[in-house]
Amino acid sequence: DAKTTQPNSMESNEEEPVHLPCNHSTISGTDYIHWYRQLPSQGPEYVIHGLTSNVNNRMASLAIAEDRKSSTLILHRATLRDAAVYYCILFNDYKLSFGAGTTVTVRA
Amino acid sequence: EAQVTQNPRYLITVTGKKLTVTCSQNMNHEYMSWYRQDPGLGLRQIYYSMNVEVTDKGDVPEGYKVSRKEKRNFPLILESPSPNQTSLYFCASSSYQGQPQHFGDGTRLSIL
Repeated sequence: DAKTTQPNSMESNEEEPVHLPCNHSTISGTDYIHWYRQLPSQGPEYVIHGLTSNVNNRMASLAIAEDRKSSTLILHRATLRDAAVYYCILFNDYKLSFGAGTTVTVRA
Repeated sequence: EAQVTQNPRYLITVTGKKLTVTCSQNMNHEYMSWYRQDPGLGLRQIYYSMNVEVTDKGDVPEGYKVSRKEKRNFPLILESPSPNQTSLYFCASSSYQGQPQHFGDGTRLSIL
């Protein structure tokens, strides 16, 4: 299974952007790149996904490298409610692997 | 409201006593999956189902069974639970391969 690598933690100030990197050097051509986040005591929540092109939605933006070996989740203006563990995963062949994710801390 | 519903939310039981955790989705999704989450190990996939009567093993299937007799339901069965199956379990569904997954609120199992 293709795996992803993320930093263990990142800190941000409220109202500032957050850029969360993810490396997936063994990605295959049909793997979708998904991002989820998990708040304490809750189930994972879908954030955004993409295949080849950059994507935007109301929660975030996803920038995908041209070679697809890395991607970056962008939270444009962090709020205290964005403090969570963010997971970057590859989803294609029905099997999913969640890594340890990146713990995002937002300072008021 | 679109949702994935798991029951029970919490359960304390004893070794060897068969139990079933139910999962139901109201979105007519084809794909459903079970995960367990343990401290330091993240979410690991137990079993998944691509459609009715089609299931396959994830990364940690030992000690678990599943069935998919109807599209909306995907129960997780522990025939003879053991303490190492104490964990937080999540069920998820998506419309089809590669699409966003919707997760349930989780089931916390404690097996003594």
